[in-house]
Amino acid sequence: QEQLVESGGGVVQPGRSLRLSCTASGFNFRTYGMHWVRQAPGKGPEWVALIWYDASDKYYADSVRGRFTISRDNYRNTVYLQMDSLRDEDTAVYYCARRQRSHADLWGQGTQVTVSS
Amino acid sequence: AIQLTQSPSSLSASVGDRVTITCRARQGFTTALAWYQQKPGKAPKVLIYGASTLQSGVPSRFSAGGSGTDFSLTISSLQPEDSATYYCQQFINFSLTFGGGTRVEIK
Repeated sequence: QEQLVESGGGVVQPGRSLRLSCTASGFNFRTYGMHWVRQAPGKGPEWVALIWYDASDKYYADSVRGRFTISRDNYRNTVYLQMDSLRDEDTAVYYCARRQRSHADLWGQGTQVTVSS
Repeated sequence: AIQLTQSPSSLSASVGDRVTITCRARQGFTTALAWYQQKPGKAPKVLIYGASTLQSGVPSRFSAGGSGTDFSLTISSLQPEDSATYYCQQFINFSLTFGGGTRVEIK
């Protein structure tokens, strides 16, 4: 069955880095764009980044541009989110999600990132 | 920046009630509006996309409509399992923008 599984979350100090992974199964991963979306405690979802199916285009939210990098490995069916210079306000559950034309139709279970000294 | 305003922010209704949630875009024009349901500790789940197309597997008591800047999600007969937070979402400039959410509780 179609599935996305995130990993790599944890507790990290401000200013440090973390890399999240999202591994897909059950569908042809290399034909889909992929989003990262985060959700801070008690808040609504906030879009973070989008990567095209072939990595030819990448887009970022203003809040993370220059600090986060999205990438993918279509041989490993995996999308990554490299997060540098982490701040307290980056604390959230991070979800990867499969892009359809104007929405995200398949989501992972999420991975918790906590930025705290 | 595009903003999506949902109303109400919360509601309480009885099983069998008809419930409507609205979503207004502050600016812009789109038919690319989606609705999600999120239960505590779970990822959002898409219910509706393209403003009115029901996602496969979603019960037919969910429907949605609208265009331009005003959209709505309706649950025709509220069920206990519909207790959740609902979000609208637009896709503009390659980003997903979400509304503030509507929490639906069962009386």
